[in-house]
Amino acid sequence: ILNVEQSPQSLHVQEGDSTNFTCSFPSSNFYALHWYRWETAKSPEALFVMTLNGDEKKKGRISATLNTKEGYSYLYIKGSQPEDSATYLCALAANNDYKLSFGAGTTVTVRA
Amino acid sequence: KAGVTQTPRYLIKTRGQQVTLSCSPISGHRSVSWYQQTPGQGLQFLFEYFSETQRNKGNFPGRFSGRQFSNSRSEMNVSTLELGDSALYLCASSLLGGDYEQYFGPGTRLTVT
Repeated sequence: ILNVEQSPQSLHVQEGDSTNFTCSFPSSNFYALHWYRWETAKSPEALFVMTLNGDEKKKGRISATLNTKEGYSYLYIKGSQPEDSATYLCALAANNDYKLSFGAGTTVTVRA
Repeated sequence: KAGVTQTPRYLIKTRGQQVTLSCSPISGHRSVSWYQQTPGQGLQFLFEYFSETQRNKGNFPGRFSGRQFSNSRSEMNVSTLELGDSALYLCASSLLGGDYEQYFGPGTRLTVT
């Protein structure tokens, strides 16, 4: 069982503020790191899949970085909006064994 | 392009019964994964299928099984249901799995009484 940890568990952000949170994972046998956004009453939605150390990806106001040597990824939200309120999940694929190990998620609440 | 569909969306069963859940992936996707989500547990990997072959299985008892058909549609079966099997069951399809992003269905909410 791969231990994928996300912190913090939850955070509250004022509209317009930027925020970031962490996904930590065992660096051995790394294959890919996925990020998903899960809004209430919807299905998880893919944000990024990252494979290379030092990789940075961006989608609108959301971006992510990856450090495979030390085993962490950061997700950043710039200028948070109420529609960014969701649970953000990271998931590790190791050894290309077709299994994703998910973290427990970081729940973001953006206050207007 | 139609998304991932799951049927049924809601299900109530009694302890000891068995249940079959269905997942239709996005057209062209050959990988289907199943997950269980219970309060406080997060998404737990059940199994992954590709071209009718199970490529990996999570740490669940043998009561949980699955299969994939030649059209990539997948089913999972839970036999001898227990109260602890009450959960949201999500399936996700992917082009090839691994480092390809997954597309999730709406889930089946199973309640065991």
